[in-house]
This record gives sequence, structure tokens and C-alpha cells, in this order.
Amino acid sequence: GAVVSQHPSWVICKSGTSVKIECRSLDFQATTMFWYRQFPKQSLMLMATSNEGSKATYEQGVEKDKFLINHASLTLSTLTVTSAHPEDSSFYICSAYRLEPYEQYFGPGTRLTVT
Amino acid sequence: AQSVSQHNHHVILSEAASLELGCNYSYGGTVNLFWYVQYPGQHLQLLLKYFSGDPLVKGIKGFEAEFIKSKFSFNLRKPSVQWSDTAEYFCAVIPGYGQNFVFGPGTRLSVLP
Repeated sequence: GAVVSQHPSWVICKSGTSVKIECRSLDFQATTMFWYRQFPKQSLMLMATSNEGSKATYEQGVEKDKFLINHASLTLSTLTVTSAHPEDSSFYICSAYRLEPYEQYFGPGTRLTVT
Repeated sequence: AQSVSQHNHHVILSEAASLELGCNYSYGGTVNLFWYVQYPGQHLQLLLKYFSGDPLVKGIKGFEAEFIKSKFSFNLRKPSVQWSDTAEYFCAVIPGYGQNFVFGPGTRLSVLP
């Protein structure tokens, strides 16, 4: 099946710093990628939809200036958490949408811990 | 707003027991329906999906789900669970003809050996 990777798989950073998370579709081109946040023992919450070559569409309540998304190519989207706070600590998951067979493929996730 | 509910937060079964996990959604139009599984420490994997056609859908690892339009339901079933089925199960819906998933809260399944 299609493969989506994320890097890093886990990261620890200090409050006030920025962290960049990469999401790559390894064997297909994805015009659309999605970023989710998953809290412990909870479901995935969609943060934003990332379209190649255009601005991301953020869900209500998600700060676009804090969670910067760049979809620079058909195989790469990045999420940058700016001025991170401890409450940003979470599991961030990306997915890439493949037109055929109309499925989303999920990355393994990135665990962010802000100290 | 569209929502997806899953009946049980945590289900505990013994090996060989039958499984049924409930899923209901609130969207009244066309929907695409999915069940994903997340094994401990792993990423989400697709178990099965329904777009159209036969409402009884068979997926991987012996799972199946039945779409009942009148009940807005898409319950997941397996006749005999194994210890390796221990995982978190998420029902997800794509309302209309879009791409955005709406996920249910998940059901944690624990299978006792």
C-alpha cells in the first residue's frame, strides 16, 4: 500500500521555540494532505487541510499563525509549531490523499513534548 | 455540524468472542464510511471502507461492516477476535463528495488471551 512518512517521530523542545514536522508521501503524489492532532485516549481532530501550491485551510479554533503549514511539493507538507507552549504537547498525525483509490494514507505520527 | 459517535469507549473480550462495535453518524446526504484501526504504537490503518453498492463490506483480518442507511449506522463486526486485535478502532465518515474525514471518538478493544 501507499506509504506516508513523518519526521521526526518524536521531538522535545523548550517553550518559546519552534518545531517543524515533515510529512512525505513516498510513492505517490498527493495534492492534498491533512494535519491532525490526537490527544491521549482521544480521537483525531482535523487541524487543517493542506493543498499543494496554495494556502492551507484551517479548521475553526486552530490558530493559523501558530501552526504554519506549507505544502511545497506534491510529496511534502510541513507543519511548524511556532512559539511552542506546553499545551501544544500532543501527537500530530498527517495524512495524504490519493485520488485513486480515493483514500487517505496516514503517517505514523510525531509526538511533540514542550517543556 | 456533522458528527460521528461510537457506542463504546472500551470493550473487553476474551479470545474467540464475537465483536460488534457501533458507529452512527449525523449526516443525512451521501457519505463514504470507513473503519480504521490503530495498534499500540502504530499508525492508523484502513480496515475497510464503503462508498456504494453492497452494504455489507468485508475488510482485512476477518472484519466486516454493515451500512444501514435508515439507521445512519456502520457497525464493525468480527465473528471471533484474537489477542492481536487489541487496538483502538475509529469509525470515520466523509460527508458528501469531499475529502475531509470526520472521526468518531474511537473504541478501545482489549482482547484477553
